[in-house]
Amino acid sequence: AQKVTQAQTEISVVEKEDVTLDCVYETRDTTYYLFWYKQPPSGELVFLIRRNSFDEQNEISGRYSWNFQKSTSSFNFTITASQVVDSAVYFCALKEIQGAQKLVFGQGTRLTINP
Amino acid sequence: GAGVSQSPRYKVAKRGQDVALRCDPISGHVSLFWYQQALGQGPEFLTYFQNEAQLDKSGLPSDRFFAERPEGSVSTLKIQRTQQEDSAVYLCASSLAGSGPQGFGAGTRLSVL
Repeated sequence: AQKVTQAQTEISVVEKEDVTLDCVYETRDTTYYLFWYKQPPSGELVFLIRRNSFDEQNEISGRYSWNFQKSTSSFNFTITASQVVDSAVYFCALKEIQGAQKLVFGQGTRLTINP
Repeated sequence: GAGVSQSPRYKVAKRGQDVALRCDPISGHVSLFWYQQALGQGPEFLTYFQNEAQLDKSGLPSDRFFAERPEGSVSTLKIQRTQQEDSAVYLCASSLAGSGPQGFGAGTRLSVL
C-alpha cells in the first residue's frame, strides 16, 4: 500500500525566514511520481512540481526548491525568503507510474508566514 | 474552459436528502478524478474516469455514492440519502493522460445537517 506522511501539521515563521516542509512516503512500486500542491484559502489545489522516481536531481524554481532522496524515501520542499503570500496548506502526493492513476496525499502542512 | 469548474460551490443538505455535484473538466482532458477532503485532512481518492469509462471506483465509501461521465466530458457525483459523515469538500481534477499533473477545481463544500 502507498502512504504519504507529512509530520508537520502546522508551521509558523516570520517573513523572510527560510522554511522546509517535510514529506516521507512509502510504496512498493519501483517507479512512481511525487508531487507538491499548494492549497490557498480559496480551496483550489495548485500544482507546484512533479518528480519522477528515476530522477533524483534536486530542483530549484525561484524561491522554491525540492530535495528528493530515494534512500530515505523523502521529498522535502524548501521556501527561501518566505513571503506572506506563501501562507497556505501544502500537500505532498504520490502516484504510481503503472497501474492506479489516483494521487495518494499526505495530511498537509499549514504554513503561516507572519509579517 | 481554462480550468476545472465545479458547481455548486456550497451545498447544504438535510440528512437523507439526495445531492448532485457537477464537474466541468479542462477542455480536452481525458482523465477525470473525484476526491473527498474532510476538514483538516488531505484529499482522498473516490473514483476515476478515462473518457466515459469509469476505470476505478475503489474509493467510493458506500453504494450511496455514484459517479457518471456519460459523454466523456462533464461528470456528476451523486450522493443518495446523505449522512452527516458525508460532510466534506468534494474536489474534481482532470488531466490530459495518466502521467500528467492533475488540475483541480475549487471544490464543492457539502454540509449535511
